[in-house]
Amino acid sequence: SQTIHQWPATLVQPVGSPLSLECTVEGTSNPNLYWYRQAAGRGLQLLFYSIGIDQISSEVPQNLSASRPQDRQFILSSKKLLLSDSGFYLCAWSGLNGHEQYFGPGTRLTVT
Amino acid sequence: AQKVTQAQTEISVVEKEDVTLDCVYETRDTTYYLFWYKQPPSGELVFLIRRNSFDEQNEISGRYSWNFQKSTSSFNFTITASQVVDSAVYFCALSEPNTGFQKLVFGTGTRLLVSP
Repeated sequence: SQTIHQWPATLVQPVGSPLSLECTVEGTSNPNLYWYRQAAGRGLQLLFYSIGIDQISSEVPQNLSASRPQDRQFILSSKKLLLSDSGFYLCAWSGLNGHEQYFGPGTRLTVT
Repeated sequence: AQKVTQAQTEISVVEKEDVTLDCVYETRDTTYYLFWYKQPPSGELVFLIRRNSFDEQNEISGRYSWNFQKSTSSFNFTITASQVVDSAVYFCALSEPNTGFQKLVFGTGTRLLVSP
């Protein structure tokens, strides 16, 4: 069966510091991968999606970036965090022909 | 543009009551998919159901049921005999299948509180 992992689970970082969040998927090949952010009490905002290695599309302009160095690994990064980057970050995957997305446990990021 | 509206921000019920969560969507596509996800306090989104635009049959899964009506662009979710474990935020979502991958547009969610 497929599983999706995210780490770290929680993170507290000062403004201006770098960020690296990792997501890995097991039990499937060539998944579509997604990064979402959920601000407190808000819905989900799609940040990035990827249909293959090194194929990343950005949905919103911001100081975040994403990379996919391996088929089942998706990384969210920032060179300098802003206060507004605080939130709950969720990684998700879907099959090539599937329509539902399956989410990881999330990373709660607090920028101080 | 696609849009999903969940007008109910928060609903409080007592255990064993039935509760319906509303979802209204907007799309110009003739082919689309609708979803419901559950987000318990732990934070992880749990997939509940997917419905395609050509299948208006209602679906029942245990205490959960879904009513899809294209005429009113609604996809409502009913929990029968609610339990404390049903307490969570529930999201309705719409898929745009023509983009070549499955981009989901989420509503803002409805927080359900079930008290004993």
